[in-house]
Amino acid sequence: EIVLTQSPGTLSLSPGERATLSCRASQSVGMNYLGWYQQKPGQAPRLLIYNAFSRATGCPDRFIGSGSGTDFNLTISRLEPEDFAVYYCQQYATSPCAFGQGTKVEIK
Amino acid sequence: QITLKESGPSLVKPTQTLTLTCTFSGFSLSTSAVGVAWIRQPPGKALEWLALIYWDDVTHYSPFLKSRLTLTKDTSKNHVVLTMTNMDPVDTATYYCAHTSGWLPDFWGQGTLVTVSS
Repeated sequence: EIVLTQSPGTLSLSPGERATLSCRASQSVGMNYLGWYQQKPGQAPRLLIYNAFSRATGCPDRFIGSGSGTDFNLTISRLEPEDFAVYYCQQYATSPCAFGQGTKVEIK
Repeated sequence: QITLKESGPSLVKPTQTLTLTCTFSGFSLSTSAVGVAWIRQPPGKALEWLALIYWDDVTHYSPFLKSRLTLTKDTSKNHVVLTMTNMDPVDTATYYCAHTSGWLPDFWGQGTLVTVSS
């Protein structure tokens, strides 16, 4: 079973700043089947990135996925007001398809 | 356009069995490499992957909950049913179903809150 650890738990930044979120896997994620989701209060998660770096339909290009193997990052190049939310990574290479515990990006 | 919607009781008593239905449109569960996953989220906590049923009827379950979960699908009715036995207050959560491409949950339902309380 692959365990995903996200860091930091909370990121306090201002609009316009760059955000870097980390997701570390306990073992290599096959085929880099790693996704990133954004969740706002009261809403279902929304897929942003799949296969580690591919943007889902409608995902703005300021969201950049990177990494491979056990270390993955989500970078938001310039934070917009609507980007303040919780972000989760998930591996879907092997069952169970675990999620990380989330990183909250909050307004500083 | 792919849409999914979860339905079921909002309140169950401890030890009861929960039955949730995911009704979907915009895709067929008989299409290769398509599945439906269930994910839950306790209030204020992280997402937890529960189970997946694939187009070919193969099912995968969280090892922590495997003994309590059953997934079935009815392709003709476009729905998937999740059954969870022996409910406990710690199972209080919003339960989501999601369309999967391969095993990637890419389209999600709005979720349904289930509270376990006597």
